[in-house]
Amino acid sequence: QLQLQESGPGLVKPSETLSLTCTVSGGSISGSSYYWGWIRQPPGKGLEWIGSIYYSGSTYYNPSLKSRVTMSVDTSKNHFSLKLTSVTAADTAVYYCARPRNNQQQWLVFDYWGQGTLVTVSS
Amino acid sequence: EIVLTQSPGTLSLSPGERATLSCRPSQSVSSSYLAWYQQKPGQAPRLLIYGASSRATGIPDRFSGSGSGTDFTLTISRLESEDFAVFYCQYSGSSPPTFGRGTKLEIK
Repeated sequence: QLQLQESGPGLVKPSETLSLTCTVSGGSISGSSYYWGWIRQPPGKGLEWIGSIYYSGSTYYNPSLKSRVTMSVDTSKNHFSLKLTSVTAADTAVYYCARPRNNQQQWLVFDYWGQGTLVTVSS
Repeated sequence: EIVLTQSPGTLSLSPGERATLSCRPSQSVSSSYLAWYQQKPGQAPRLLIYGASSRATGIPDRFSGSGSGTDFTLTISRLESEDFAVFYCQYSGSSPPTFGRGTKLEIK
């Protein structure tokens, strides 16, 4: 059974960098052909796609966040990571990592999700 | 960017009733890329429907999706107590993929 688990600091100061890791178990990042995704959800609000990364390192980012986002993958540790720079209170959200349904037409439709981790931006 | 408008914002129904949720894209879209998710408090979203009408693995057949162009619908034929949650539609056929603001389905 595929499982995803987010980890990282729950509190980040304004203007600093948010860093999260998603560890995958029950399946191999490099053994699959999926674009692994990050999605966030501000408290009480809707969902926003941040971006997706392939095991080779190829990435797609949301244009609204592109200047501040970097994703990376470490196949030896079977995890992928998110960095978001220059954070503000508006970046306070639950951050989810997720795997899409397939690597073709549904490559941005997510059917496996981590439990999510709340990151609060505050001094 | 495709904007998805969901209605109603809140829907109050009783178990056993039929629920009809609407998702309207800001322009005509391919149904192949329209999905629906269910989210309960404190949980991650759960994929219900993809390709506008195909049920995801393990989703009961009381959930169905339909529609095309600028008008899509999620129907829950007979509500069960565990169905009450927030529902989001998503369009993934253009970049960035976008989500609607959600419909909250609450017990009347």
